Amino acid sequence: QQQVKQSPQSLIVQKGGISIINCAYENTAFDYFPWYQQFPGKGPALLIAIRPDVSEKKEGRFTISFNKSAKQFSLHIMDSQPGDSATYFCATGAYGGATNKLIFGTGTLLAVQP
Amino acid sequence: DTEVTQTPKHLVMGMTNKKSLKCEQHMGHRAMYWYKQKAKKPPELMFVYSYEKLSINESVPSRFSPECPNSSLLNLHLHALQPEDSALYLCASRKAGGPGHEQFFGPGTRLTVL
Repeated sequence: QQQVKQSPQSLIVQKGGISIINCAYENTAFDYFPWYQQFPGKGPALLIAIRPDVSEKKEGRFTISFNKSAKQFSLHIMDSQPGDSATYFCATGAYGGATNKLIFGTGTLLAVQP
Repeated sequence: DTEVTQTPKHLVMGMTNKKSLKCEQHMGHRAMYWYKQKAKKPPELMFVYSYEKLSINESVPSRFSPECPNSSLLNLHLHALQPEDSALYLCASRKAGGPGHEQFFGPGTRLTVL
């Protein structure tokens, strides 16, 4: 069965701190690992994505770490800000193909306290 | 224009009503998606259209009927819904026919079935 296990379910971080969210996947055929950010009343928006040929990708304050052998990947948010407060979903899927069906994790509600 | 628009933003309907949700994009994307999202849950894939043809139906009840009249438009026709169908319905699009392009999500339609 295709699943993506995401933890923690919720996270409270002080402003300026580091937020870390973890995901574990099962299907080794997947080769595309995006993170989506969703604010209340909005649709999810792609934050950052990685492919398994690299172990880390950084964009600004957001970093994905990828461990292929452990089938795990994580999102690190450095210098967390109150504006980062949102729900974060990891996902996995096939990089190629016409439809790119994504399997989403269960989500993490992040609250950054001022 | 990197936007997916959805109308209406909110919809309240009775169990005997017939209504439609509309999704539009002008990014030239040829893959379009319908998702259902319950509160505090990840998006759940319902249908995928690729080049205006239905390519994935995730065993969705027939009271939901998708339609893709052209490459920019995606509709979801609703009939005889149940209260448990109340949710946020998200549309997404992606550049098909190539690898790894992100899915762009619309803001969703908040549906309430009475």
